[in-house]
Amino acid sequence: AQSVSQHNHHVILSEAASLELGCNYSYGGTVNLFWYVQYPGQHLQLLLKYFSGDPLVKGIKGFEAEFIKSKFSFNLRKPSVQWSDTAEYFCAVNARDMRFGAGTRLTVKP
Amino acid sequence: NAGVTQTPKFQVLKTGQSMTLQCAQDMNHNSMYWYRQDPGMGLRLIYYSASEGTTDKGEVPNGYNVSRLNKREFSLRLESAAPSQTSVYFCASIERGYGDGYTFGSGTRLTVV
Repeated sequence: AQSVSQHNHHVILSEAASLELGCNYSYGGTVNLFWYVQYPGQHLQLLLKYFSGDPLVKGIKGFEAEFIKSKFSFNLRKPSVQWSDTAEYFCAVNARDMRFGAGTRLTVKP
Repeated sequence: NAGVTQTPKFQVLKTGQSMTLQCAQDMNHNSMYWYRQDPGMGLRLIYYSASEGTTDKGEVPNGYNVSRLNKREFSLRLESAAPSQTSVYFCASIERGYGDGYTFGSGTRLTVV
């Protein structure tokens, strides 16, 4: 079965700092990769997804992620975070079903 | 508005009580899922239904049952609630089994005392 690891449990940044959240997965076959965001008190929303093609994927709100197949990684990046990016971020892998990482809480200080 | 609707939003149960969490989607999606979300553990799959008439166990099915009543509705039942089932439960749906992101409901916060 596939599994997902997110390395950072809680990240604290100041506004305008750059962000990179790590995600590694384990699955031998073809996968689809996702990042979801959960704002406080809300449900998960899709941030971006990778199916095939260009390994650099751009999503909403200035987020992007890079799929590195050799490293089984799908890290999330944003050049300059805003206070409104404070949320929890989940990496997910969809092979037979969708499996999620434990999440990374991002706190952006104004 | 189109989407996934979950009821109730909040519930407190006593140990041993039973209840059913309801989920309905109006997007004509084939597959539906139940997850529980616990701090530090992300979302864990309880059960899923790849299509109407089928259900399968996920990572943590013990203590739960599901019913795919029709294409729209997928309910989760706790027959005898335990404190370990205190969690936030999310229902999700997807048009196809592969390739697309889920649409999530707003969640049910369940406390078992």
